[in-house]
Amino acid sequence: DVKVTQSSRYLVKRTGEKVFLECVQDMDHENMFWYRQDPGLGLRLIYFSYDVKMKEKGDIPEGYSVSREKKERFSLILESASTNQTSMYLCASSLRKGRGQPQHFGDGTRLSIL
Amino acid sequence: TQLLEQSPQFLSIQEGENLTVYCNSSSVFSSLQWYRQEPGEGPVLLVTVVTGGEVKKLKRLTFQFGDARKDSSLHITAAQPGDTGLYLCAGPKTSYDKVIFGPGTSLSVIP
Repeated sequence: DVKVTQSSRYLVKRTGEKVFLECVQDMDHENMFWYRQDPGLGLRLIYFSYDVKMKEKGDIPEGYSVSREKKERFSLILESASTNQTSMYLCASSLRKGRGQPQHFGDGTRLSIL
Repeated sequence: TQLLEQSPQFLSIQEGENLTVYCNSSSVFSSLQWYRQEPGEGPVLLVTVVTGGEVKKLKRLTFQFGDARKDSSLHITAAQPGDTGLYLCAGPKTSYDKVIFGPGTSLSVIP
């Protein structure tokens, strides 16, 4: 079974702090994703990575950056946290094997910025 | 721009009732996926429908893909409290490997 593990379930940070969210998957998937989930808005893609050191901006990349130094690990960085980044953050992975591959999600990090 | 809409946004029903939730788009999708997200957890894939008109069953859950591949429905028979959760539909974007999600239907089944 695929396991996607996010480092924290809950995180509270202050405005202006640099915040790191970590995600690890154990199934050798090429693709990894970071989403944020807000009520009524569904899941919105922040960044996508299809290989080590490769990344693409998603729909809402502003204020975020990512790092993928190893295949199994994908980090999301909030350069200078702001209150409008309070949200649920979900990491996912999938095979790079054609369109429509299922995505496997972690349990999410609920981030509050005070 | 590809968009997925879901209805209803919220649904609260008694145990044992039947229900249907919908996923609609003005765009054609090569496939659609349904995920369920239980409180405090990440979404989990339930099914992928690929062919227009396709019907798939997963125990008490029946999924249908529209003939024109622009919409899908999920029907639950005799709902149970364990069915409570957020039901998300998703379809592949024109960009390789990315997926677009609908906003979800939040289902609450009351014992």
